[in-house]
Amino acid sequence: GQNIDQPTEMTATEGAIVQINCTYQTSGFNGLFWYQQHAGEAPTFLSYNVLDGLEEKGRFSSFLSRSKGYSYLLLKELQMKDSASYLCAVDQAGTALIFGKGTTLSVSS
Amino acid sequence: GAVVSQHPSRVICKSGTSVKIECRSLDFQATTMFWYRQFPKKSLMLMATSNEGSKATYEQGVEKDKFLINHASLTLSTLTVTSAHPEDSSFYICSGLAGAPDTQYFGPGTRLTVL
Repeated sequence: GQNIDQPTEMTATEGAIVQINCTYQTSGFNGLFWYQQHAGEAPTFLSYNVLDGLEEKGRFSSFLSRSKGYSYLLLKELQMKDSASYLCAVDQAGTALIFGKGTTLSVSS
Repeated sequence: GAVVSQHPSRVICKSGTSVKIECRSLDFQATTMFWYRQFPKKSLMLMATSNEGSKATYEQGVEKDKFLINHASLTLSTLTVTSAHPEDSSFYICSGLAGAPDTQYFGPGTRLTVL
């Protein structure tokens, strides 16, 4: 079956670093997306990993290990506006994504 | 990045009426578009895959006669919720594939409330 696991909720303080983990077991795998979704809004694209390793993009970095079925999203220098839901999604070769349930991140001052 | 729009952003209708939601790719051609539904505090659930010029492919459990999808051009897909009922109240989001590698870009979503 298809299974994508993420923690349901995380909390952190402004300026801190937080790592959101995602493990997956899917029948196919082309790559892994991370999306950010603020309440009441559609998801916005953050990153796409195909190869193993870490990809850094400003304050956000994403890591993938295909052999372990594992990814994480790293957020540095947290800001209040980073409070949102973070969705991990597996791309199965150009078809629709399989989403995890999302991790709700709350950033406090 | 690629821009996708949806219209309307919010609609309230009476039970039994039909509602049409438009999804447009503004600066790219989307051969493939996807329609998702999201209930409060839940993850996105794929409803159907829409391919330009052909019939949509529906996910298991999604009634194709109730959720009519038309993808008549490379920049427009429509979802019509026919005979809407209160349980159809949800957040409907579309996405289009763009770029290399294919990345899904989401529209802003449509909040449907059926009274």
